[in-house]
Amino acid sequence: QSVLTQPPSASGTPGQRVTISCSGSSSNIGSNTVNWYQQLPGTAPKLLIYSNNQRPSGVPDRFSGSKSGTSASLAISGLQSEDEADYYCAAWDDSLNAVVFGGGTKLTVL
Amino acid sequence: QVTLRESGPALVKPTQTLTLTCTFSGFSLSTSGMCVSWIRQPPGKALEWLALIDWDDDKYYSTSLKTRLTISKDTSKNQVVLTMTNMDPVDTATYYCARIPSSGGSCYPYYFDYWGQGTLVTVSS
Repeated sequence: QSVLTQPPSASGTPGQRVTISCSGSSSNIGSNTVNWYQQLPGTAPKLLIYSNNQRPSGVPDRFSGSKSGTSASLAISGLQSEDEADYYCAAWDDSLNAVVFGGGTKLTVL
Repeated sequence: QVTLRESGPALVKPTQTLTLTCTFSGFSLSTSGMCVSWIRQPPGKALEWLALIDWDDDKYYSTSLKTRLTISKDTSKNQVVLTMTNMDPVDTATYYCARIPSSGGSCYPYYFDYWGQGTLVTVSS
């Protein structure tokens, strides 16, 4: 049982916009920033979004992040087949003094 | 450029102690605000954070695993070591080490910008 809650799956067609939600509590998302990771099949995770809405160099601007209260969202616009992957949210938890992850969302491009 | 590489046994027996080494390059763990962390992923399951160590030798552990974990660093060798005692088949997973970059002299907000390729550890008799 993950501390952060994500939908197990999401899907969209090429060109579409898809959003993935991440729900937490006051001790994690409510008081700290959210980071998102993309994990392509058979590979290590890759940093996609940090500090709620910042993109590392090289990440396309099709990927964007937002946070409101104790929830966060990852949006992917102009969906492409290569976006098919698992996506994880994460944040620091002040009560646990630990990094907590969501359970992951498997994105399928139809 | 920044690289991290995990090394350790591919197979351990139940009740044994696992020792994993993360060897990194391209940064120094003596730099203020720099951290290295361990994360694992059982086959087909989600990521699970395990532990982190910072430049000042402060350590943080997963609440559920803290009695079994020890993280340490050797700054001169650019290595971080994780030990996990009393291994069980449910600990079978790919173990990753990752860097947390310095942000104004602190590891906050604790995001992992570089990851190793991971090492699969199977626990079986």
